[in-house]
Amino acid sequence: DAKTTQPNSMESNEEEPVHLPCNHSTISGTDYIHWYRQLPSQGPEYVIHGLTSNVNNRMASLAIAEDRKSSTLILHRATLRDAAVYYCILRGGSSNTGKLIFGQGTTLQVKP
Amino acid sequence: DTGVSQDPRHKITKRGQNVTFRCDPISEHNRLYWYRQTLGQGPEFLTYFQNEAQLEKSRLLSDRFSAERPKGSFSTLEIQRTEQGDSAMYLCASSPGRIFGTQYFGPGTRLLVL
Repeated sequence: DAKTTQPNSMESNEEEPVHLPCNHSTISGTDYIHWYRQLPSQGPEYVIHGLTSNVNNRMASLAIAEDRKSSTLILHRATLRDAAVYYCILRGGSSNTGKLIFGQGTTLQVKP
Repeated sequence: DTGVSQDPRHKITKRGQNVTFRCDPISEHNRLYWYRQTLGQGPEFLTYFQNEAQLEKSRLLSDRFSAERPKGSFSTLEIQRTEQGDSAMYLCASSPGRIFGTQYFGPGTRLLVL
């Protein structure tokens, strides 16, 4: 399974944009890039996913590099409720079950 | 859509006891996953069901662990002869349709083995 690399932690101020990077240099052509986040004491929740083009939804935006070896999750205006662990996950390839393979993720701290 | 539910939310047990956890997926989700999460780590895949069939088991799932999903609805995860190393959060997720569809997670069952 292709591996992702994320910074262990990041800090942001409330109401400022946050850019969470993810490197996935061994991504294959059929791998989708998924982001999940886990708020304290909760199960993970889906944030966004993409293949090649940048994607936007109500929670965030996903910017994918042209060579697909990296991507960035963008929270346009961080709130205190966005403090969570953010996981960048590659899905596809040889998996026939769709299981998620989590790394350690990036712990985002949001300061008021 | 009431979300994925798990019961109990917390369980404290003594080493050597058996425990069973239940997961109720979102109705009509045919895919169901169990994960385990220890402090400071991301969740780790344990096992996967498509309807009632258990199609994949992780090497993490020792023979003390067993999971079932009778009738393709709720699922149970049983741990026999618990050990202190089994202390963790046990997460259940369900997913509809497509193999790489969104997984919806429950709140988890936190197990503490004394």
